[in-house]
Amino acid sequence: DTAVSQTPKYLVTQMGNDKSIKCEQNLGHDTMYWYKQDSKKFLKIMFSYNNKELIINETVPNRFSPKSPDKAHLNLHINSLELGDSAVYFCASSPRDRGSEQYFGPGTRLTVT
Amino acid sequence: GENVEQHPSTLSVQEGDSAVIKCTYSDSASNYFPWYKQELGKRPQLIIDIRSNVGEKKDQRIAVTLNKTAKHFSLHITETQPEDSAVYFCAALGSSNTGKLIFGQGTTLQVKP
Repeated sequence: DTAVSQTPKYLVTQMGNDKSIKCEQNLGHDTMYWYKQDSKKFLKIMFSYNNKELIINETVPNRFSPKSPDKAHLNLHINSLELGDSAVYFCASSPRDRGSEQYFGPGTRLTVT
Repeated sequence: GENVEQHPSTLSVQEGDSAVIKCTYSDSASNYFPWYKQELGKRPQLIIDIRSNVGEKKDQRIAVTLNKTAKHFSLHITETQPEDSAVYFCAALGSSNTGKLIFGQGTTLQVKP
């Protein structure tokens, strides 16, 4: 069940480093998302792209920058990592514009030390 | 702003009993309400959804009801089994037409054998 895949699954890094998380979907979906799930399990949207165009950009520090090279990929780059960035990051995709039926990737557990 | 409240935060039932999780939403223009199940260490998975043009939808042991007037929707699980134990999230599609899902805070369901 690898329709939406993310790499890496685990990421441990030190404060101040820059890291990237990659996401790919092979479902032919047009829209992709990044979510952050904190230690209290709360799921919050960060960004969404529709066919490489940025649609949602929530109140996220500008250290976070999404990049969509094509509609099957949405990567997340994080600069100058902070302790508070530790969380599980989920990529998701949906088959139609404007977000019905979102399918999640397996998540990337980021730990900043 | 857009908000989804979910209750209870934890729910413990005996195997075979029913479980009900309730959500309220703030945006009267919301028209799509999915429910996700997240097992420990796994991705959120869509288990059932309902659109605002219907009041109830059922799929085997799970059902969802929607009361648009009261802006409430609920998940009902009958004949619970230990494998139903997970965190359940309700969500509402925001009215901004961007595909933004607003998630509830989650309910941890424990089904005791």
